[in-house]
Amino acid sequence: SAVISQKPSRDICQRGTSLTIQCQVDSQVTMMFWYRQQPGQSLTLIATANQGSEATYESGFVIDKFPISRPNLTFSTLTVSNMSPEDSSIYLCSVEITGGYEQYFGPGTRLTVT
Amino acid sequence: DQQVKQNSPSLSVQEGRISILNCDYTNSMFDYFLWYKKYPAEGPTFLISISSIKDKNEDGRFTVFLNKSAKHLSLHIVPSQPGDSAVYFCAANSNFGNEKLTFGTGTRLTIIP
Repeated sequence: SAVISQKPSRDICQRGTSLTIQCQVDSQVTMMFWYRQQPGQSLTLIATANQGSEATYESGFVIDKFPISRPNLTFSTLTVSNMSPEDSSIYLCSVEITGGYEQYFGPGTRLTVT
Repeated sequence: DQQVKQNSPSLSVQEGRISILNCDYTNSMFDYFLWYKKYPAEGPTFLISISSIKDKNEDGRFTVFLNKSAKHLSLHIVPSQPGDSAVYFCAANSNFGNEKLTFGTGTRLTIIP
């Protein structure tokens, strides 16, 4: 497995502002992902963070709203831009260890937009 | 289009008894299935997985069963313990799905002491 940390753990933000969430892994990993869990809902994949190239976004998610950086094999950031109350969710990063299908998750960032 | 479904949003089980959590899927391209456990304010924790070439995988108190013809899998926890109280998500992966996981809606398991 891997040890994954996220910053911040929670935040309350005003409508129209942006928040950048950091994800740090204790070892080099090939695959990193960003998920969203809206209140009472399942986990939904936002995008795959690719090292050295643009992230791959899922249907319904766009780069202008959720820009992602992946400067190396242990770190990634997700920015939630121009926030609205509908963006209030838990945002989670995960990693896949090479050779397995299992993904390991960070503790999540609880975002509330007022 | 919910490709992975957990039809029971909640389940209560007496401590020491067996907990059975169910999951159904619709996409026949899924070939690897996983169960995660999630406590409040924490990220999901990987529990157990099963490949589509198997019909059972066991790890301690946790056993996952897969019925491919019915597109159904279940997680058995025996004996159930109070620390098992959490939300359980099943997830599925396809070799052709670019490694991404599709999650079910979750079942909240409560173990009654």
